[in-house]
Amino acid sequence: DADVTQTPRNRITKTGKRIMLECSQTKGHDRMYWYRQDPGLGLRLIYYSFDVKDINKGEISDGYSVSRQAQAKFSLSLESAIPNQTALYFCATSSMGRELFFGEGSRLTVL
Amino acid sequence: AQSVTQPDIHITVSEGASLELRCNYSYGATPYLFWYVQSPGQGLQLLLKYFSGDTLVQGIKGFEAEFKRSQSSFNLRKPSVHWSDAAEYFCAVGAETSYDKVIFGPGTSLSVIP
Repeated sequence: DADVTQTPRNRITKTGKRIMLECSQTKGHDRMYWYRQDPGLGLRLIYYSFDVKDINKGEISDGYSVSRQAQAKFSLSLESAIPNQTALYFCATSSMGRELFFGEGSRLTVL
Repeated sequence: AQSVTQPDIHITVSEGASLELRCNYSYGATPYLFWYVQSPGQGLQLLLKYFSGDTLVQGIKGFEAEFKRSQSSFNLRKPSVHWSDAAEYFCAVGAETSYDKVIFGPGTSLSVIP
């Protein structure tokens, strides 16, 4: 089993729908991150969490929210999806700012 | 705040030629530095990392990178490129303080000509 698991791997939805992307990890890391990847823009940080009680906005948090349900689980929500949120989303974990371990990505298409 | 720049958006090299991908960072303290690679349709894989010590670090797949504090750079090198190295390469910076996070550069796309 993968150390960092993202579900769903692919999702097509319509404008205005609520979407949740889930991430779970078995690495025991304290830090979890959500990134968005767009062609030519690299990875941009949406939200990050250093523990269950610590949630922080990243570079592009508008239109997104997160929940850290447990040390091992970190979910990303789009309350009302719009087409420009079509992207590849990555969850990652790390320990004390060291190397990131990535999930396999969740490809979201908003029509 | 941290920031990372990768001046080259796209690079094309011939197979067997040497490669250098540039990365510059901005950070007030000693950073942790990383290079990741993403092959088409794949997730991100760590190539190498620098935390402290020897400023020349070796990674997987024959890659190496050199940390130059005076130039705020962490350039990635490979002496002889293989066709399978065609991918997107990302430089990233992190730190060991409580409120720092890992930030990525925009990436450099590498094409390899046979």
